[in-house]
Amino acid sequence: DTGVSQDPRHKITKRGQNVTFRCDPISEHNRLYWYRQTLGQGPEFLTYFQNEAQLEKSRLLSDRFSAERPKGSFSTLEIQRTEQGDSAMYLCASSSRTRNYEQYFGPGTRLTVT
Amino acid sequence: DQQVKQNSPSLSVQEGRISILNCDYTNSMFDYFLWYKKYPAEGPTFLISISSIKDKNEDGRFTVFLNKSAKHLSLHIVPSQPGDSAVYFCAASFINTGTASKLTFGTGTRLQVTL
Repeated sequence: DTGVSQDPRHKITKRGQNVTFRCDPISEHNRLYWYRQTLGQGPEFLTYFQNEAQLEKSRLLSDRFSAERPKGSFSTLEIQRTEQGDSAMYLCASSSRTRNYEQYFGPGTRLTVT
Repeated sequence: DQQVKQNSPSLSVQEGRISILNCDYTNSMFDYFLWYKKYPAEGPTFLISISSIKDKNEDGRFTVFLNKSAKHLSLHIVPSQPGDSAVYFCAASFINTGTASKLTFGTGTRLQVTL
């Protein structure tokens, strides 16, 4: 049983560039979540998918952010025109149908915007 | 508006002793609570959870206590081991709607278990 995987683990980009992160959930988990964590804070919810449907988005998810889960398996999170304030750890989590209240997290993608 | 609060940023405990990590919440609609452990450069790892219909849940060395009237929960680790040194996050959710829901996290407590 492989866990949640995320790629890349680290990304350094210049301000104004676009970046895309990928998340592969635990197989057969139908729910997938994106969170963002900054230094000294707990993870903050960004958005959530059930299968391929994006069911909830946080107000933290500005129009520069977009997430997709086209076939209900892996998901991508894209940030357009990155800003220094986007520097954070981006975490993905998944949960199963039967225990959907327990979310299992990936290792995260650390984004640094210079 | 911090709905889940962990007021102790750090805690140091001697190996073999009990570690008690505390968490308070303000939203009485939360009905499911979880504790996660996080090592540097890794994602949070699920530890233990409790539903609001219970006041205690135990799993090995870890026990979570819930006091709904006080809107307070705590995680007890007995006995504490050096490998328990990590940041611990309390999280809360709503499950009474029957669907999965986002987690609301506290800011974490860094536990250091000393020899």
